[in-house]
Amino acid sequence: SQQGEEDPQALSIQEGENATMNCSYKTSINNLQWYRQNSGRGLVHLILIRSNEREKHSGRLRVTLDTSKKSSSLLITASRAADTASYFCATVSSNTGKLIFGQGTTLQVKP
Amino acid sequence: DTAVSQTPKYLVTQMGNDKSIKCEQNLGHDTMYWYKQDSKKFLKIMFSYNNKELIINETVPNRFSPKSPDKAHLNLHINSLELGDSAVYFCASSQGWQGSGNTIYFGEGSWLTVV
Repeated sequence: SQQGEEDPQALSIQEGENATMNCSYKTSINNLQWYRQNSGRGLVHLILIRSNEREKHSGRLRVTLDTSKKSSSLLITASRAADTASYFCATVSSNTGKLIFGQGTTLQVKP
Repeated sequence: DTAVSQTPKYLVTQMGNDKSIKCEQNLGHDTMYWYKQDSKKFLKIMFSYNNKELIINETVPNRFSPKSPDKAHLNLHINSLELGDSAVYFCASSQGWQGSGNTIYFGEGSWLTVV
């Protein structure tokens, strides 16, 4: 079964607004990663946060991790039309060491 | 400079046929993967190879047979194609195991449609 579950499944915002996507998972993890997939393309790694980290930034991206709630969030600030894509969280299980992807959140940024 | 390249990008074939998807990475990575993404966008690992050795086989039907002639190539051969095999297949690579936090680089995907 899938480890991560993203919420919402779809999100539509105006350019310039912030976009927040959430990910929940079930088992203990070593790290959690976020990926972006543009329509018809492969996945691109965005950011990795380790289980002992609570927050990480990369440009307009901010990722938080709450291991007590088994959840993570990805915030994209000042969104642009080019941010339109599907965003996936992926967790590395402490037990298996495998990277397991969630179903993704489809983000549409309207110009 | 394409890091992970896979061919073909689109493949339409009839049930019962045998087809192959090829993958090559020029990143010098030692670990390669095949993932399957279904129509609901679920992405699931199928196989993983490290230095040409199979290290993961995620209960994939025997009709799927990966082959790694060297650590830069990982091909996927599918026998007796079924309708349910229709999906997007992604090749990926990393330096070291994915679970250690090493970044995975994905190819652009191969869209397989079985009719």
